[in-house]
Amino acid sequence: GIQVEQSPPDLILQEGANSTLRCNFSDSVNNLQWFHQNPWGQLINLFYIPSGTKQNGRLSATTVATERYSLLYISSSQTTDSGVYFCAARGGGYQKVTFGTGTKLQVIP
Amino acid sequence: AAGVIQSPRHLIKEKRETATLKCYPIPRHDTVYWYQQGPGQDPQFLISFYEKMQSDKGSIPDRFSAQQFSDYHSELNMSSLELGDSALYFCASRPRGGTHTEAFFGQGTRLTVV
Repeated sequence: GIQVEQSPPDLILQEGANSTLRCNFSDSVNNLQWFHQNPWGQLINLFYIPSGTKQNGRLSATTVATERYSLLYISSSQTTDSGVYFCAARGGGYQKVTFGTGTKLQVIP
Repeated sequence: AAGVIQSPRHLIKEKRETATLKCYPIPRHDTVYWYQQGPGQDPQFLISFYEKMQSDKGSIPDRFSAQQFSDYHSELNMSSLELGDSALYFCASRPRGGTHTEAFFGQGTRLTVV
């Protein structure tokens, strides 16, 4: 199946800083999503972005499908942004959605 | 808006017992996925169903089985529980509409095996 890797694995930011999280995938995808897993374990949909660019408030995401990567931008980070960010992809002829290894973000005041 | 409903939210079982987790997808969603997330791990795909038929299978132990019913809800049955089965179990659903649709996750069932 498709392989999904994320970087960096861990990130510590000062409140107000910006960051870029990266997701690489091994095969062409027809479905790519970004999630935020909060400290209570809930997976919150951030973006559905198989290609192109989307923005939602302080967050934006870009997927370049031909080069097999996606980026999540967080601007003016807040402590509530802390948690684990996952990208998840579906492709290669499979129904399943494969999660990346995650980026654990900690935003400190 | 309706979300994916999982029950129970928390479950404590002893070794060798059985457990049944339930998932109620968003209305008009015909695809259901089950995932297992161990502590500090990323969610691992177990099994999926499309229109009540198994559509894909991942690293699901033989002790586990699942099905999707006529009303599209799904159940994950786990037998001979082991300590290593302690994890957060997610169900997700995806709407009809072909390949280019978004999956939505439930809040998860936290299973603890003691």
